[in-house]
Amino acid sequence: ETGVTQTPRHLVMGMTNKKSLKCEQHLGHNAMYWYKQSAKKPLELMFVYNFKEQTENNSVPSRFSPECPNSSHLFLHLHTLQPEDSALYLCASSQAGLGQGRIYEQYFGPGTRLTVT
Amino acid sequence: AQSVTQLDSHVSVSEGTPVLLRCNYSSSYSPSLFWYVQHPNKGLQLLLKYTSAATLVKGINGFEAEFKKSETSFHLTKPSAHMSDAAEYFCVVTGGYQKVTFGTGTKLQVIP
Repeated sequence: ETGVTQTPRHLVMGMTNKKSLKCEQHLGHNAMYWYKQSAKKPLELMFVYNFKEQTENNSVPSRFSPECPNSSHLFLHLHTLQPEDSALYLCASSQAGLGQGRIYEQYFGPGTRLTVT
Repeated sequence: AQSVTQLDSHVSVSEGTPVLLRCNYSSSYSPSLFWYVQHPNKGLQLLLKYTSAATLVKGINGFEAEFKKSETSFHLTKPSAHMSDAAEYFCVVTGGYQKVTFGTGTKLQVIP
């Protein structure tokens, strides 16, 4: 496997369910990101991890809980979501994160299409 | 403050004709600028980047962009559109601590 992978690619969940999204990067990067992409809205940065430490939380509701056990893996735990949380969730990685000096380009996974019913 | 404006939400060109996707930015810092492309049901792929080196940047698939500080622009161009270029394109500006801002995207349609 190369690049950034995300599983599952599609997820349908009820509002009372608990599920997790997984992201894995095979690029040797030290920073990982979660983004939300909704129709007709700009891409929203949700969380940033640098060297496994969370360095950014863009006022994301607590029903979204990220976890970064190591520099290669990133999870997004979901619980009691709302229908408006339905979106494409994109994971990305880069050599070093925002605020670490030089700005590096990000590499994106294919995304998880989440539908909350 | 930092912002990016993609001036056209949709652009339609005929195959073989030039492509111009417009992007204007504002930033309190010396920005880095990127263009990404997203094909349907796929993640974003980096096309090219500007990080304060040459102002004319060449990317993949024949795309290029020119950084014009006086006009605060970073427009994306390609001399000849191909059917496979049909996708959504995002202009991104980064600068300062923990700031990355995506444009709202431009959907490119290529007519055969």
